[in-house]
Amino acid sequence: QTVVTQEPSLTVSPGGTVTLTCASSSGAVTSVYTPSWLQQKPGQAPRTLIYSTNKKQPWTPARFSGSLLGGKAALTLSGVQPEDEADYFCLLYYGGAQPNWVFGGGTKLTVL
Amino acid sequence: QVQLQESGPGLVKPSETLSLTCTVSGGSINSYYWSWIRQPPGKGLEWIGYIYYSGSTSYNPSLKSRVTISVATSKNQFSLRLSSVTAADTAVYYCARVNYDSLTGYTDFDSWGQGTLVTVSS
Repeated sequence: QTVVTQEPSLTVSPGGTVTLTCASSSGAVTSVYTPSWLQQKPGQAPRTLIYSTNKKQPWTPARFSGSLLGGKAALTLSGVQPEDEADYFCLLYYGGAQPNWVFGGGTKLTVL
Repeated sequence: QVQLQESGPGLVKPSETLSLTCTVSGGSINSYYWSWIRQPPGKGLEWIGYIYYSGSTSYNPSLKSRVTISVATSKNQFSLRLSSVTAADTAVYYCARVNYDSLTGYTDFDSWGQGTLVTVSS
């Protein structure tokens, strides 16, 4: 079973910049994996912020951006706000005869 | 704006079958893929499977032997059945709409239900 790995936790100061990454046990993450990034706040359902590597939803703040970085998918927050404190999950697509998706374990982002 | 709502028993006995339904409102179930995802308390997300409105399915290999997802287009609903449950199946279960292109892998889980907690206990 493929494993998708994220940093368990990160801390950033308000106004700062932070990059979260997402790696696959099957090798380098490329656009073929169509990486998505989801945000989940306590007691709420997840919501997708970034899909297909770098596309944004209408509700995604401009300070969030997605990319590929060093064989991983990456989510960068520039000018972090207190309301960005949340859990962030990446999601990778594994195609084939029986396509499936695998979530990363999640990164708990603390704004302090 | 499409809305999704999960419904079903909140308590299931070990070895029995978990059954949930997702009702889609504000949009048609046609022409989309629909997925189930779960999250054990305090843990991460796990993709369970999807169904296309036409009925084709794909499941997480680790759950495939126990999972069935079905669709009722006339009711704008799709359903999840998970058999032989154990305490490890205790989780919040979410349904979601997926914009998916099987040729390119383009994926966007763009709408989610609020989730429903299912506890497996005797």
